[in-house]
Amino acid sequence: AQKITQTQPGMFVQEKEAVTLDCTYDTSDPSYGLFWYKQPSSGEMIFLIYQGSYDQQNATEGRYSLNFQKARKSANLVISASQLGDSAMYFCAMREENYGGATNKLIFGTGTLLAVQP
Amino acid sequence: ETGVTQSPTHLIKTRGQQVTLRCSSQSGHNTVSWYQQALGQGPQFIFQYYREEENGRGNFSPRFSGLQFPNYSSELNVNALELDDSALYLCASSLVLAGAETQYFGPGTRLLVL
Repeated sequence: AQKITQTQPGMFVQEKEAVTLDCTYDTSDPSYGLFWYKQPSSGEMIFLIYQGSYDQQNATEGRYSLNFQKARKSANLVISASQLGDSAMYFCAMREENYGGATNKLIFGTGTLLAVQP
Repeated sequence: ETGVTQSPTHLIKTRGQQVTLRCSSQSGHNTVSWYQQALGQGPQFIFQYYREEENGRGNFSPRFSGLQFPNYSSELNVNALELDDSALYLCASSLVLAGAETQYFGPGTRLLVL
């Protein structure tokens, strides 16, 4: 069964420094997608970045990059030049393919709470 | 701003009651998914609707049901509420064409069952 593991319950980072949030996944499906979402205290899940299992290059979106290591089944999120507004919960998620037609089902990890300190 | 809205933002119910949560998808999106997020956990998939038909369901009781309307708005209904139904309920919309696409989430409805 598909599974997402986030082993860091909480992380601290100084403003303007880079931080890496860990994510490992388990799937036997050769085709899958990996996502990172940010959830501020308001509750809304904000899409940050996507990596397809067949993508040759690591995804980047502004200050966000995804360190995709397929052989190790890891998809770590790197946030460069942290800002105070980056303080939030971060979730790694995998899109389960070929799920009886519900090809858009997302499986989430338990999240990492990031606190950016001034 | 994802263009996905949910109502109400907060709701308090008592055990045994029924509740309806509403979601308005981003314009043009043909797929809506609902998730339940208990405190301190990641969201769990409840079900998905594609063109007004249920298109997949997670491991949730039949007490959870839904509807999707032609204007792509949708509802989540929960009957015979239990204390464990207290959670943040998130809907997410996406435009599915040739394959699955990125889901965009609304702000959620916080449900408290007493």
